[in-house]
Amino acid sequence: DGGITQSPKYLFRKEGQNVTLSCEQNLNHDAMYWYRQDPGQGLRLIYYSQIVNDFQKGDIAEGYSVSREKKESFPLTVTSAQKNPTAFYLCASRSQGNEQFFGPGTRLTVL
Amino acid sequence: RKEVEQDPGPFNVPEGATVAFNCTYSNSASQSFFWYRQDCRKEPKLLMSVYSSGNEDGRFTAQLNRASQYISLLIRDSKLSDSATYLCVVNQGFQKLVFGTGTRLLVSP
Repeated sequence: DGGITQSPKYLFRKEGQNVTLSCEQNLNHDAMYWYRQDPGQGLRLIYYSQIVNDFQKGDIAEGYSVSREKKESFPLTVTSAQKNPTAFYLCASRSQGNEQFFGPGTRLTVL
Repeated sequence: RKEVEQDPGPFNVPEGATVAFNCTYSNSASQSFFWYRQDCRKEPKLLMSVYSSGNEDGRFTAQLNRASQYISLLIRDSKLSDSATYLCVVNQGFQKLVFGTGTRLLVSP
């Protein structure tokens, strides 16, 4: 089955730790995206990548980093510099029809 | 003014009812439009794209009014399974999607 997978589903982090969220897709899409969703707010764009070895900051990139070494993979690192990292993180990839398809998400909680 | 605005609801309707949601957007250069459905604690799933000519998919009809900068979604013959949050999404170019905060729909027996 083609799709987008994210892991882990739930992640708990202590303050001061960096954590990396995984995102993999086998849809052969060039563009991939990371969003965060907070209660009562719309999705906000963290980073996006339109092609391998290239990525751009979104609206709320501070405290996050990404890499795009392979077309299939777009991991997100939440660093200790992110002031309020507890959120629902969603990865997406974009089809040629400009529609974005989402993975199941990772819920990150900072203890 | 928010880039994409939606009435948060909730809209409480009985099964079989027809319900409509509207969404307004501020950037007149927006290029494409979508409705997504999001169930509680799940990822958004694409419901339908919205075309200038309007489009229909079964019980769902989406329309775009570029002059007034709004998008609508009409759901006919509501089912219990339609209960969800409906997100209005606008593509502002460079493949940047802007998401509304969503309209919550509750369909009751």
